[in-house]
Amino acid sequence: AQSVTQPDIHITVSEGASLELRCNYSYGATPYLFWYVQSPGQGLQLLLKYFSGDTLVQGIKGFEAEFKRSQSSFNLRKPSVHWSDAAEYFCAVGALMGGNKLVFGAGTILRVKS
Amino acid sequence: DTGVSQNPRHKITKRGQNVTFRCDPISEHNRLYWYRQTLGQGPEFLTYFQNEAQLEKSRLLSDRFSAERPKGSFSTLEIQRTEQGDSAMYLCASSFPSGAETQYFGPGTRLLVL
Repeated sequence: AQSVTQPDIHITVSEGASLELRCNYSYGATPYLFWYVQSPGQGLQLLLKYFSGDTLVQGIKGFEAEFKRSQSSFNLRKPSVHWSDAAEYFCAVGALMGGNKLVFGAGTILRVKS
Repeated sequence: DTGVSQNPRHKITKRGQNVTFRCDPISEHNRLYWYRQTLGQGPEFLTYFQNEAQLEKSRLLSDRFSAERPKGSFSTLEIQRTEQGDSAMYLCASSFPSGAETQYFGPGTRLLVL
């Protein structure tokens, strides 16, 4: 069965600093991997996704993520954080078969200090 | 196209009452998913439809929960005899089946059972 671990419950970074949010997954085959962002009381917005090909994927709002099969990781990065990036970030893995239901990690809450 | 919509956005009910939520997917999407998100957790899969057929249900979906998608367009999720443990955010997502299937989420319905 698939599983996703986001080791950091909270992360605080200064505005303008770089950011890396960690995600480790467990899945027996080639995974589909996603990062979503959720502002308080809101639904999920897709930041980026990995299906195949180039292991470094670019997303919206200046985010990128790198798929590392050997480490079962899909870490999210941003070179310079803005105050508006404060939100909760979820990593998810999807199954190739069976409707592609997503399994989410518990999320990482990002706080940005000015 | 305005994306996935959900109604109501908020619902407060008393224990033992029935509630029904509605989800309108993106118009060309024939897959529709329901997830539940409790405080401090990532979303958990409940069920999904392809067109009007309900193809998978999670063990989280007890007998008190029922979902329908009668004409393959909008979907409803009903909870009968609500319990305090049903308090959560209920998220709907839709997608178009493809080799790079991506789910797009609605804003969610937040349920509070008193």
